[in-house]
Amino acid sequence: DTEVTQTPKHLVMGMTNKKSLKCEQHMGHRAMYWYKQKAKKPPELMFVYSYEKLSINESVPSRFSPECPNSSLLNLHLHALQPEDSALYLCASSLNPTGDGYTFGSGTRLTVV
Amino acid sequence: GQNIDQPTEMTATEGAIVQINCTYQTSGFNGLFWYQQHAGEAPTFLSYNVLDGLEEKGRFSSFLSRSKGYSYLLLKELQMKDSASYLCAAAGFQKLVFGTGTRLLVSP
Repeated sequence: DTEVTQTPKHLVMGMTNKKSLKCEQHMGHRAMYWYKQKAKKPPELMFVYSYEKLSINESVPSRFSPECPNSSLLNLHLHALQPEDSALYLCASSLNPTGDGYTFGSGTRLTVV
Repeated sequence: GQNIDQPTEMTATEGAIVQINCTYQTSGFNGLFWYQQHAGEAPTFLSYNVLDGLEEKGRFSSFLSRSKGYSYLLLKELQMKDSASYLCAAAGFQKLVFGTGTRLLVSP
């Protein structure tokens, strides 16, 4: 298995909803990442988990809450989002924190209404 | 600080060769990635250079000079489907730093 799997592929949520994005990999990668990408912009790093511990939070608002239940799973919990949070959310993983084998998932297209 | 520069947009014709340049300044440099991204889709891995030199993979080649902080992606025998954004990303410890991407338009 050489993939990073993200679910759902598309999500529409209201500003009062609570939802979660899920990311899974079975490559034995020990670093996992969340990125946010707006149209015509490069991906922006949000969070990094290294060996299941949160190691980087790029000053992301608390309405985004990451969770790493085990070495294969990474979740992003969403609550009280704003319309400007609508974007493509990308998960990635790498063998180790230095970036070997960096692999992106196919993303979740999030629309906040 | 960290800075990645690449041209915003390039145009080329089908069958031609195009070179997309990328210069970078980052701390803790571990390697240089190139990704292809079609609109609305996730980035697709093209290449990863750690050592200086040219790496060839089919129609795509990537070059790195660590001493100059410079890389390029070379696309040969361009096809219409190569129209996409090409992202240069420098790998540091625990993160990739992306350039703004180069939008390549291939015309008949």
